Amino acid sequence: AQSVTQLDSQVPVFEEAPVELRCNYSSSVSVYLFWYVQYPNQGLQLLLKYLSGSTLVKGINGFEAEFNKSQTSFHLRKPSVHISDTAEYFCAVTASGSARQLTFGSGTQLTVLP
Amino acid sequence: DTAVSQTPKYLVTQMGNDKSIKCEQNLGHDTMYWYKQDSKKFLKIMFSYNNKELIINETVPNRFSPKSPDKAHLNLHINSLELGDSAVYFCASSQGLSPGTDTQYFGPGTRLTVL
Repeated sequence: AQSVTQLDSQVPVFEEAPVELRCNYSSSVSVYLFWYVQYPNQGLQLLLKYLSGSTLVKGINGFEAEFNKSQTSFHLRKPSVHISDTAEYFCAVTASGSARQLTFGSGTQLTVLP
Repeated sequence: DTAVSQTPKYLVTQMGNDKSIKCEQNLGHDTMYWYKQDSKKFLKIMFSYNNKELIINETVPNRFSPKSPDKAHLNLHINSLELGDSAVYFCASSQGLSPGTDTQYFGPGTRLTVL
């Protein structure tokens, strides 16, 4: 089975500052990794995913994440945040291959301050 | 056009009642899911259906019964509601069963409050 730990439940940051949201996973098999974003009163939407290949993955809205197998991490970064990035961010994992379900972390609330 | 829609958005009810939440997707997807998000924001899968066939049935009380009348709909019926059922329930859909290649699209959620 896989599990995900999001190390920070809340991250406040000022507008135009860089941000990193941390995610660590645990798995005995190869994995696929995902970041989802949930804006207030909305469902989750996919930001980016890592399946294989380059460990640096670029997503929508200027976000990127880096897969680090040795540290079992998949941290999300953005060099300059906007007020509109305020949302809940979820890291998720699934076993690669024919796995059928996602396991989500507990989420990180990113609040961008003016 | 809403890709995945859920009704109602809010549901407040008394313990012991029976209630249903409806979900519809207009994406032409073959797979639909129900997730439960608790008060600590943990999101956990409850069920998934592929072509109206039950694929995933996590450890969920049998008071919860999903019903898929067709590929575009997956409803969730809950009998004898309990306080612990209070949560946000999300419906999602994807083309196929593999999260790696089949992106899941989520509805806006239904906030269920059991008094």
